[in-house]
Amino acid sequence: KAGVTQTPRYLIKTRGQQVTLSCSPISGHRSVSWYQQTPGQGLQFLFEYFSETQRNKGNFPGRFSGRQFSNSRSEMNVSTLELGDSALYLCASSAKPGQLNNEQFFGPGTRLTVL
Amino acid sequence: GNSVTQMEGPVTLSEEAFLTINCTYTATGYPSLFWYVQYPGEGLQLLLKATKADDKGSNKGFEATYRKETTSFHLEKGSVQVSDSAVYFCALNSNFGNEKLTFGTGTRLTIIP
Repeated sequence: KAGVTQTPRYLIKTRGQQVTLSCSPISGHRSVSWYQQTPGQGLQFLFEYFSETQRNKGNFPGRFSGRQFSNSRSEMNVSTLELGDSALYLCASSAKPGQLNNEQFFGPGTRLTVL
Repeated sequence: GNSVTQMEGPVTLSEEAFLTINCTYTATGYPSLFWYVQYPGEGLQLLLKATKADDKGSNKGFEATYRKETTSFHLEKGSVQVSDSAVYFCALNSNFGNEKLTFGTGTRLTIIP
């Protein structure tokens, strides 16, 4: 079974631009979560989608948005990029959200650099 | 809100040494606890987990016990190898019906031969 895939793996943008990152979950997984990883703030939860609905949202400005499609693939978008948005963006999928024995599987991440 | 406090790094040990990485948490209710590992240039891999008090998670020689009385989930390994060099993250999920993980700051572990 293929793991969680994220595209692109690396991205360079300039301030003010917008960017879209993509995540394909493991086949059969319907929950997708996104995290931002930076040296200063560590790993921070962005949002979670399940069955095309956003179930939970972290403490990020409205410039960060996401969506999930009917095939469970998810995209996140960051508009009006700032230097501080430079980070590794990780996506995780799971099969049994809300169950105690559920496990989240992480993708390799997309490294975004904002110049 | 939920929080995870993790032992500051970096930690450098010799091969075959004993490893402990401390982790304490603050959460309401009965969270599930996790240790994730991140190798250079990769995403996170689940190392072990525990879903209720006194549960012991174990994998690849690593162990951690869910201690509700001390709100701790310390990671231990009896004899580390060079291949264990990575960044280790302690995390919790509140089990309030969503998948949000709250992570500690991570501990960079380097094992020297």
